[in-house]
Amino acid sequence: EVQLVESGGGLVQPGGSLRLSCAASGFTFSSYWMSWVRQAPGKGLEWVANIKQDGSEKYYVDSVKGRFTISRDNAKNSLYLQMNSLRAEDTAVYYCARIVTTEDYWGQGTLVTVSS
Amino acid sequence: DIQMTQSPSSLSASVGDRVTITCRASQGISNYLAWFQQKPGKAPKSLIYAASSLQSGVPSKFSGSGSGTDFTLTISSLQPEDFATYYCQQYNSYPPTFGPGTKVDIK
Repeated sequence: EVQLVESGGGLVQPGGSLRLSCAASGFTFSSYWMSWVRQAPGKGLEWVANIKQDGSEKYYVDSVKGRFTISRDNAKNSLYLQMNSLRAEDTAVYYCARIVTTEDYWGQGTLVTVSS
Repeated sequence: DIQMTQSPSSLSASVGDRVTITCRASQGISNYLAWFQQKPGKAPKSLIYAASSLQSGVPSKFSGSGSGTDFTLTISSLQPEDFATYYCQQYNSYPPTFGPGTKVDIK
């Protein structure tokens, strides 16, 4: 069974940093692109970033470029999102997801709250 | 970036109703469009990919159509488990962008 379990969310002050983790199991992690998608409270979905199987390609939404870094450790079956210079507008539930055309798997999400 | 719009933003319908949701892209995306369903407090779930292909395990009451800039999602006979928010998403070009969502609730 495919499982994606996020962790690392919490309350952080504006300008602070947080590192999200996603532990993957039930599939060959190193064979898939992986993504982060977020959802602000009561709002819609926003794709944040994704990363190629070997980490050689990474893409970001403009609003996080230069502040967020996506990475992965295939030996640990883990996906990460390092978030720096956090802003109030980054407050959201962050989902780890494996999305390919013909199937998708999502974690349960981890809440990041940026507030003083 | 490609902007996605959806209409209506919300609708009220009864069990058994036929429901149609429209999605429009700000530029042509061929058929690189997916539809997701999200229930409160839950992660989204993909229903349709490539504008009209049903994901495995998704009931045939869901159908999608369209190409280029205009797309529709139809639920042929609404059931209680279908009350949710529906999002379209283009994956023709980076960044993948979602529509603002259509909330379907009970009349």
